[in-house]
Amino acid sequence: AQRVTQPEKLLSVFKGAPVELKCNYSYSGSPELFWYVQYSRQRLQLLLRHISRESIKGFTADLNKGETSFHLKKPFAQEEDSAMYYCALTTAGGTSYGKLTFGQGTILTVHP
Amino acid sequence: DAGVTQSPTHLIKTRGQQVTLRCSPKSGHDTVSWYQQALGQGPQFIFQYYEEEERQRGNFPDRFSGHQFPNYSSELNVNALWLGDSALYLCASSYGTGGNSPLHFGNGTRLTVT
Repeated sequence: AQRVTQPEKLLSVFKGAPVELKCNYSYSGSPELFWYVQYSRQRLQLLLRHISRESIKGFTADLNKGETSFHLKKPFAQEEDSAMYYCALTTAGGTSYGKLTFGQGTILTVHP
Repeated sequence: DAGVTQSPTHLIKTRGQQVTLRCSPKSGHDTVSWYQQALGQGPQFIFQYYEEEERQRGNFPDRFSGHQFPNYSSELNVNALWLGDSALYLCASSYGTGGNSPLHFGNGTRLTVT
């Protein structure tokens, strides 16, 4: 069975500081990993996924299969990055993208 | 484009009752997935509908059932409500069941069971 762990429920940084939100997963097969974000009073939305290898809003995430991790990083945090972040996993293979396994989420607060 | 819309936004029910939640997918989307999000937890997958059939199911009892209509909208039904069913129910839509279409979420329906 798949499992996603986000060890930090709360994370606080100051504006301009680097930020890293941790995500570890367990899955014996080949996973697809995602980061979803929920800003205050907004709906859950996709931030990025590892297969596209793109940077969104300055965030990047690298899938490390050896360490089974998919940490989200940003070199210089901004106040507008304050939000709830969820790491999610699905099994690769095309038919499972509606079935995501989510972590418990990390609330990121960026102080001015 | 209104995106994914869910109704109602809030609902209060009594133990043992039945409830129906509704979801209209984003324009152009044909697949609907339902998630349950308990307080302080991440969303948990309930099931996915495509071509009016349940395609995948998470670890939820048969009290949870669904339906998809020809216009791709969907309903989630929960029978014999328990206190533990109190949660935010999220609907997400996408195009097809493959990996090229990311999920778009609605704002959810907050269900309280007393």
